[in-house]
Amino acid sequence: GAGVSQTPSNKVTEKGKYVELRCDPISGHTALYWYRQSLGQGPEFLIYFQGTGAADDSGLPNDRFFAVRPEGSVSTLKIQRTERGDSAVYLCASSLMGQGVTEAFFGQGTRLTVV
Amino acid sequence: AQSVTQLDSQVPVFEEAPVELRCNYSSSVSVYLFWYVQYPNQGLQLLLKYLSGSTLVKGINGFEAEFNKSQTSFHLRKPSVHISDTAEYFCAVSDTYSSASKIIFGSGTRLSIRP
Repeated sequence: GAGVSQTPSNKVTEKGKYVELRCDPISGHTALYWYRQSLGQGPEFLIYFQGTGAADDSGLPNDRFFAVRPEGSVSTLKIQRTERGDSAVYLCASSLMGQGVTEAFFGQGTRLTVV
Repeated sequence: AQSVTQLDSQVPVFEEAPVELRCNYSSSVSVYLFWYVQYPNQGLQLLLKYLSGSTLVKGINGFEAEFNKSQTSFHLRKPSVHISDTAEYFCAVSDTYSSASKIIFGSGTRLSIRP
Protein backbone atom coordinates (compact mmCIF):
# COMPACT_ATOMS: atom_id res chain seq x y z
CA GLY A 1 0.00 0.00 0.00
CA ALA A 2 0.91 3.67 -0.15
CA GLY A 3 1.56 3.92 3.55
CA VAL A 4 0.93 2.35 6.93
CA SER A 5 -2.80 2.13 7.53
CA GLN A 6 -4.37 1.88 10.97
CA THR A 7 -7.99 1.17 11.72
CA PRO A 8 -10.09 2.41 13.29
CA SER A 9 -8.82 5.97 13.52
CA ASN A 10 -10.86 6.48 16.68
CA LYS A 11 -12.23 3.99 19.16
CA VAL A 12 -14.32 4.71 22.23
CA THR A 13 -14.93 1.78 24.54
CA GLU A 14 -16.26 1.18 28.01
CA LYS A 15 -14.01 0.20 30.86
CA GLY A 16 -13.66 -3.56 31.04
CA LYS A 17 -14.34 -4.20 27.34
CA TYR A 18 -12.07 -5.90 24.83
CA VAL A 19 -10.66 -3.98 21.83
CA GLU A 20 -8.67 -4.82 18.73
CA LEU A 21 -6.59 -2.32 16.81
CA ARG A 22 -5.43 -3.15 13.30
CA CYS A 23 -2.30 -2.20 11.40
CA ASP A 24 -1.65 -2.70 7.68
CA PRO A 25 2.05 -2.13 7.04
CA ILE A 26 3.65 -1.05 3.81
CA SER A 27 3.76 -3.98 1.42
CA GLY A 28 7.04 -5.86 1.68
CA HIS A 29 8.07 -4.43 5.03
CA THR A 30 9.19 -7.26 7.27
CA ALA A 31 9.49 -5.28 10.50
CA LEU A 32 6.41 -3.96 12.32
CA TYR A 33 6.29 -1.96 15.54
CA TRP A 34 3.57 -0.88 17.95
CA TYR A 35 3.95 2.23 20.09
CA ARG A 36 1.64 4.04 22.49
CA GLN A 37 1.61 7.82 22.79
CA SER A 38 -0.06 9.57 25.68
CA LEU A 39 -0.82 13.28 25.65
CA GLY A 40 2.33 15.36 25.93
CA GLN A 41 4.61 12.33 25.75
CA GLY A 42 6.80 10.70 23.17
CA PRO A 43 5.91 7.34 21.63
CA GLU A 44 6.41 4.48 24.07
CA PHE A 45 7.58 1.18 22.59
CA LEU A 46 5.24 -1.78 23.05
CA ILE A 47 6.24 -4.64 20.74
CA TYR A 48 8.23 -5.41 17.60
CA PHE A 49 7.66 -8.12 14.97
CA GLN A 50 10.16 -9.45 12.47
CA GLY A 51 8.01 -11.44 10.09
CA THR A 52 5.42 -13.42 12.01
CA GLY A 53 7.25 -13.61 15.31
CA ALA A 54 7.46 -11.10 18.12
CA ALA A 55 11.17 -10.29 18.34
CA ASP A 56 10.78 -7.97 21.32
CA ASP A 57 7.65 -7.62 23.46
CA SER A 58 9.38 -6.00 26.41
CA GLY A 59 7.25 -2.87 26.19
CA LEU A 60 3.87 -4.51 26.69
CA PRO A 61 2.69 -3.08 30.04
CA ASN A 62 0.94 -6.22 31.31
CA ASP A 63 -0.76 -9.42 30.22
CA ARG A 64 -3.92 -7.58 29.15
CA PHE A 65 -2.01 -6.51 26.05
CA PHE A 66 -1.27 -8.93 23.24
CA ALA A 67 -0.37 -8.58 19.57
CA VAL A 68 -0.29 -10.96 16.64
CA ARG A 69 0.95 -10.95 13.08
CA PRO A 70 -0.04 -14.40 11.79
CA GLU A 71 0.94 -14.02 8.14
CA GLY A 72 3.78 -11.56 8.50
CA SER A 73 1.78 -8.64 7.17
CA VAL A 74 -1.27 -7.27 9.01
CA SER A 75 -0.96 -7.01 12.77
CA THR A 76 -3.60 -6.73 15.47
CA LEU A 77 -3.04 -5.27 18.92
CA LYS A 78 -5.49 -6.71 21.42
CA ILE A 79 -6.34 -5.20 24.77
CA GLN A 80 -8.44 -7.12 27.27
CA ARG A 81 -10.39 -5.67 30.20
CA THR A 82 -9.59 -2.11 29.16
CA GLU A 83 -8.87 0.49 31.81
CA ARG A 84 -9.12 4.29 31.66
CA GLY A 85 -5.34 4.44 31.82
CA ASP A 86 -5.15 2.63 28.47
CA SER A 87 -6.51 5.75 26.75
CA ALA A 88 -3.85 6.95 24.30
CA VAL A 89 -2.95 7.06 20.63
CA TYR A 90 -1.64 3.70 19.47
CA LEU A 91 0.89 4.00 16.67
CA CYS A 92 2.06 1.37 14.25
CA ALA A 93 5.23 1.59 12.15
CA SER A 94 6.86 -0.63 9.57
CA SER A 95 10.27 -0.83 7.93
CA LEU A 96 12.19 -3.03 5.54
CA MET A 97 14.46 -4.17 8.33
CA GLY A 98 15.01 -3.00 11.88
CA GLN A 99 14.48 0.67 12.58
CA GLY A 100 18.11 1.14 13.38
CA VAL A 101 19.09 0.59 9.78
CA THR A 102 16.32 1.91 7.64
CA GLU A 103 13.57 4.48 7.99
CA ALA A 104 10.45 3.46 9.87
CA PHE A 105 7.15 4.68 8.43
CA PHE A 106 4.39 5.49 10.89
CA GLY A 107 0.65 5.28 10.50
CA GLN A 108 -1.73 8.01 11.64
CA GLY A 109 -2.56 6.10 14.78
CA THR A 110 -5.69 4.88 16.53
CA ARG A 111 -6.98 7.15 19.27
CA LEU A 112 -8.37 4.89 22.00
CA THR A 113 -10.60 6.39 24.65
CA VAL A 114 -11.75 4.24 27.54
CA VAL A 115 -14.72 5.71 29.39
CA ALA B 1 19.39 0.31 27.65
CA GLN B 2 19.12 3.63 25.88
CA SER B 3 17.30 6.77 26.92
CA VAL B 4 16.69 10.20 25.41
CA THR B 5 16.25 13.54 27.13
CA GLN B 6 14.75 16.53 25.39
CA LEU B 7 15.42 19.40 27.71
CA ASP B 8 12.80 21.80 26.37
CA SER B 9 9.15 20.82 26.25
CA GLN B 10 8.25 24.00 24.37
CA VAL B 11 10.28 26.41 22.24
CA PRO B 12 8.65 29.60 20.96
CA VAL B 13 10.53 31.51 18.25
CA PHE B 14 9.78 34.29 15.82
CA GLU B 15 9.45 33.57 12.13
CA GLU B 16 12.78 33.71 10.24
CA ALA B 17 14.74 33.39 13.49
CA PRO B 18 17.17 30.50 14.04
CA VAL B 19 16.22 27.65 16.32
CA GLU B 20 17.97 24.84 18.18
CA LEU B 21 16.13 21.94 19.77
CA ARG B 22 18.24 20.11 22.28
CA CYS B 23 18.60 16.36 22.65
CA ASN B 24 20.85 14.30 24.87
CA TYR B 25 20.99 10.55 24.93
CA SER B 26 22.32 7.86 27.22
CA SER B 27 23.65 4.53 26.05
CA SER B 28 26.33 2.02 26.94
CA VAL B 29 26.74 1.00 23.30
CA SER B 30 27.03 2.69 19.93
CA VAL B 31 23.82 4.26 18.73
CA TYR B 32 21.88 5.44 15.74
CA LEU B 33 20.10 8.76 16.24
CA PHE B 34 16.96 10.18 14.69
CA TRP B 35 14.76 13.24 14.66
CA TYR B 36 11.10 12.76 13.85
CA VAL B 37 8.52 15.50 13.31
CA GLN B 38 4.80 15.34 13.98
CA TYR B 39 2.76 18.07 12.31
CA PRO B 40 -0.69 18.83 13.75
CA ASN B 41 -3.09 15.98 13.06
CA GLN B 42 -0.50 14.02 11.11
CA GLY B 43 1.64 10.95 11.70
CA LEU B 44 5.31 10.86 12.65
CA GLN B 45 7.72 11.61 9.82
CA LEU B 46 11.48 11.13 9.74
CA LEU B 47 13.38 14.43 9.53
CA LEU B 48 16.91 13.06 9.53
CA LYS B 49 19.06 10.28 10.91
CA TYR B 50 22.65 9.68 11.95
CA LEU B 51 23.98 6.20 11.25
CA SER B 52 27.73 6.75 10.80
CA GLY B 53 30.23 8.98 9.03
CA SER B 54 29.93 12.75 9.04
CA THR B 55 28.65 14.06 12.33
CA LEU B 56 26.67 16.82 10.61
CA VAL B 57 23.50 15.42 9.14
CA LYS B 58 21.18 17.30 6.84
CA GLY B 59 17.49 16.51 6.66
CA ILE B 60 14.33 17.67 5.00
CA ASN B 61 12.90 21.19 5.18
CA GLY B 62 16.28 22.80 5.86
CA PHE B 63 16.91 21.10 9.20
CA GLU B 64 20.26 19.70 10.27
CA ALA B 65 21.65 18.03 13.36
CA GLU B 66 25.10 17.43 14.74
CA PHE B 67 26.16 14.27 16.53
CA ASN B 68 28.51 14.98 19.41
CA LYS B 69 29.73 11.74 20.97
CA SER B 70 31.68 13.34 23.81
CA GLN B 71 28.65 15.33 24.92
CA THR B 72 26.17 12.57 23.98
CA SER B 73 24.10 15.14 22.16
CA PHE B 74 22.23 15.35 18.86
CA HIS B 75 20.82 18.88 18.71
CA LEU B 76 18.54 19.90 15.85
CA ARG B 77 18.98 23.27 14.17
CA LYS B 78 17.48 25.43 11.48
CA PRO B 79 18.91 28.84 10.52
CA SER B 80 15.56 30.42 9.67
CA VAL B 81 12.20 28.97 10.65
CA HIS B 82 8.88 29.30 8.88
CA ILE B 83 5.34 29.19 10.17
CA SER B 84 4.99 25.77 8.55
CA ASP B 85 7.66 24.40 10.92
CA THR B 86 5.16 24.52 13.78
CA ALA B 87 5.09 20.94 15.02
CA GLU B 88 6.20 18.52 17.72
CA TYR B 89 9.77 17.26 17.31
CA PHE B 90 11.00 13.98 18.75
CA CYS B 91 14.57 12.87 19.21
CA ALA B 92 15.09 9.11 19.18
CA VAL B 93 17.83 6.52 19.59
CA SER B 94 18.43 2.87 18.81
CA ASP B 95 21.45 0.65 19.32
CA THR B 96 23.69 -0.42 16.45
CA TYR B 97 24.17 -4.02 17.51
CA SER B 98 20.98 -5.38 16.09
CA SER B 99 19.56 -4.82 12.65
CA ALA B 100 16.17 -5.18 14.28
CA SER B 101 16.42 -2.76 17.14
CA LYS B 102 13.58 -0.76 18.61
CA ILE B 103 13.68 3.02 18.66
CA ILE B 104 13.42 4.84 21.99
CA PHE B 105 11.84 8.29 21.79
CA GLY B 106 12.24 11.40 23.89
CA SER B 107 9.24 13.24 25.31
CA GLY B 108 9.19 15.77 22.48
CA THR B 109 9.65 19.51 21.99
CA ARG B 110 6.78 21.63 20.75
CA LEU B 111 8.05 24.28 18.36
CA SER B 112 5.73 27.25 17.97
CA ILE B 113 6.49 29.96 15.45
CA ARG B 114 5.32 33.52 16.03
CA PRO B 115 4.78 35.80 13.02
